[in-house]
Amino acid sequence: GENVEQHPSTLSVQEGDSAVIKCTYSDSASNYFPWYKQELGKRPQLIIDIRSNVGEKKDQRIAVTLNKTAKHFSLHITETQPEDSAVYFCAASRAQGGSEKLVFGKGTKLTVNP
Amino acid sequence: GAGVSQTPSNKVTEKGKYVELRCDPISGHTALYWYRQSLGQGPEFLIYFQGTGAADDSGLPNDRFFAVRPEGSVSTLKIQRTERGDSAVYLCASSLYVGGGETQYFGPGTRLLVL
Repeated sequence: GENVEQHPSTLSVQEGDSAVIKCTYSDSASNYFPWYKQELGKRPQLIIDIRSNVGEKKDQRIAVTLNKTAKHFSLHITETQPEDSAVYFCAASRAQGGSEKLVFGKGTKLTVNP
Repeated sequence: GAGVSQTPSNKVTEKGKYVELRCDPISGHTALYWYRQSLGQGPEFLIYFQGTGAADDSGLPNDRFFAVRPEGSVSTLKIQRTERGDSAVYLCASSLYVGGGETQYFGPGTRLLVL
């Protein structure tokens, strides 16, 4: 089955710097890759997602890139702010005809220092 | 509008007891998912429903775990003969449809502690 690896497990940056989190997946049939942000004691919330028919997607300070050949995708946050501090999870699934279940990475704890 | 809700928010039980966890999806969402999240880990898939039927239950760890969604809306996750290793946050999510990578919206979770 699918296996998603996520790095780094912790990341500390200064306010205003950029943060990059990387994930790899094993199942070449996976075609949907969401990123969730989870604050302490709260529910995971979708921040951005990408489908396998595109290589990059941006939404204000957040961008995701996908390399299908290498089977990896990355989250980029620019101009980080203290409120970006949270645990970020990447996930992969075989949408459209496959199982809709999300397979998550182990998470990256991002700390943005003021 | 109202998001996914789960009850109870916390549940403490003793080893060997039976527990039921409830999930109310977003109104009109046809797909409902259960995940389990242990401390410091990502959510782990348990089961998902398309309507009333379980479309994929491959993540249920053993036959002590069972879930139902009799009317295609509310779902109940049932755990028999609880063990200490069942302690985790149980998350429910729903999506409008199945297919094409529909966004899964998560509930706040039920924190289960088995003593």
